[in-house]
Amino acid sequence: DIQMTQSPSTLSASIGDRVTITCRASQSINNWLAWYQQKPGKAPNLLIYEASNLESGVPSRLSGSGSGTEFTLTITSLQPDDFATYYCQQYNSYPWTFGQGTKVEI
Amino acid sequence: QVQLVESGGGVVQPGRSLRLSCVASGFTFENYGMHWVRQAPGKGLEWVAVISYDGTDKYYANSVTGRFTISRDDSKNTLYLQMNSLSAEDTAVYYCAKQIAVGDRPDYWGQGTLVTVAS
Repeated sequence: DIQMTQSPSTLSASIGDRVTITCRASQSINNWLAWYQQKPGKAPNLLIYEASNLESGVPSRLSGSGSGTEFTLTITSLQPDDFATYYCQQYNSYPWTFGQGTKVEI
Repeated sequence: QVQLVESGGGVVQPGRSLRLSCVASGFTFENYGMHWVRQAPGKGLEWVAVISYDGTDKYYANSVTGRFTISRDDSKNTLYLQMNSLSAEDTAVYYCAKQIAVGDRPDYWGQGTLVTVAS
C-alpha cells in the first residue's frame, strides 16, 4: 500500500498568513493527488485534484503543486473560512490512501 | 443536483452484521463508480471500498477484506456496504462518494451514517 505522510499535524496561524501543508507519498503517484478540506461534522470537500487543479468554486488563494512523491497545498492570505482540517489522498492505485490530516487553527 | 444519502447506521454488537445503503440522485447512477470511505471518531479518513460503474470490479481496504462487501442496484440507484464480523475498530462515520470517472477522484460525498460497534 502507498503511505501518505502529511506535515505538520497541526498548524497555528492568523488571518492573512500564508500557510503550506506538505504531503509525501511512499512511492511515486505521478500527479494523482487530491486535497480535501473538512470541517467538524461535515463531509470532506474536494479542493484540488491532479495535484494542482483547482476544483470549481474553490477560491484562488488555494493552490497545489508537486508530482511524484512530494506535494504541497498552499493557502495565501488565510481567511476565517480556511480554519479546518486538510487531507491529501492518492488515487494512483488501490487501496486509495489518505494522509493523517493537518488541522489549521488560530 | 447530485445527492447522496446514506442510511443503515446504528449501534451493533461486536461480531454482528450491518448493511449500509446510499441512495443517489441527480446523476445517471449506472454510469459511475462509487466508493465508501469511513472516519472513526476524532480520527482521519480511511478509504474502504470501490465498485466500478458496471459492478464488475471491486476493491477493498486490507482492514475490511473478507468481511465487507460492496454492491450496487442500479434499478434503485442504490449503493450498499454489507459489513460482517464487526468489531469496535469499525466504529466510524461511513460516507459514500461518487467517482467522477474511472480511476479518478470522488467529486461528491454524502453526509455520512454513523456505525457504532459496542456491546
